[in-house]
Amino acid sequence: AQSVTQPDIHITVSEGASLELRCNYSYGATPYLFWYVQSPGQGLQLLLKYFSGDTLVQGIKGFEAEFKRSQSSFNLRKPSVHWSDAAEYFCAPYTGGFKTIFGAGTRLFVKA
Amino acid sequence: DAGVIQSPRHEVTEMGQEVTLRCKPISGHDYLFWYRQTMMRGLELLIYFNNNVPIDDSGMPEDRFSAKMPNASFSTLKIQPSEPRDSAVYFCASSSEKDRSYYGYTFGSGTRLTVV
Repeated sequence: AQSVTQPDIHITVSEGASLELRCNYSYGATPYLFWYVQSPGQGLQLLLKYFSGDTLVQGIKGFEAEFKRSQSSFNLRKPSVHWSDAAEYFCAPYTGGFKTIFGAGTRLFVKA
Repeated sequence: DAGVIQSPRHEVTEMGQEVTLRCKPISGHDYLFWYRQTMMRGLELLIYFNNNVPIDDSGMPEDRFSAKMPNASFSTLKIQPSEPRDSAVYFCASSSEKDRSYYGYTFGSGTRLTVV
């Protein structure tokens, strides 16, 4: 069955520290891959996307993600976290039929 | 563009009442999606439209829920009668297939529904 897993329900990092949020998917073929961010009381905003080609993709707000086919992973990273990055992050593989499936989300807390 | 616009932002209603949520997608987008977000179930796709036609409503929980898209700039999600378990944040999102390689969605800010 098609599925997406975000193993970490929440993560706490110190401001200025690096960040990595994990995402694993289970599909027969390589899906299109997306990361979205949701700030409190807001809708989801597209951070970045991977379709093909270079496996390291850059997004908005200084985020990047790396696609690793062998691990079926698409982890989100940021070298230095800012307090404004505190939000919930969703990994979302798309496999067709316009039915994007969203992971359960990882809530990021940032310590001063 | 003002983005995807949803109204109201908050809705509190009594059990048994009819609730109507509204959405205005981004101009030119030909796909519109309704999602529901709860702590227990995360983000669930309820229904989506293409060119104003409902394509897949398999996520609509039961007959109490209905959605319409009378034109390209407006959609409604109606719950009648409402129940406390319908309490959630309802999101509308839109997308375009004009660029066939782009399938990311633009979300509205959501409607927080509380049924008491």
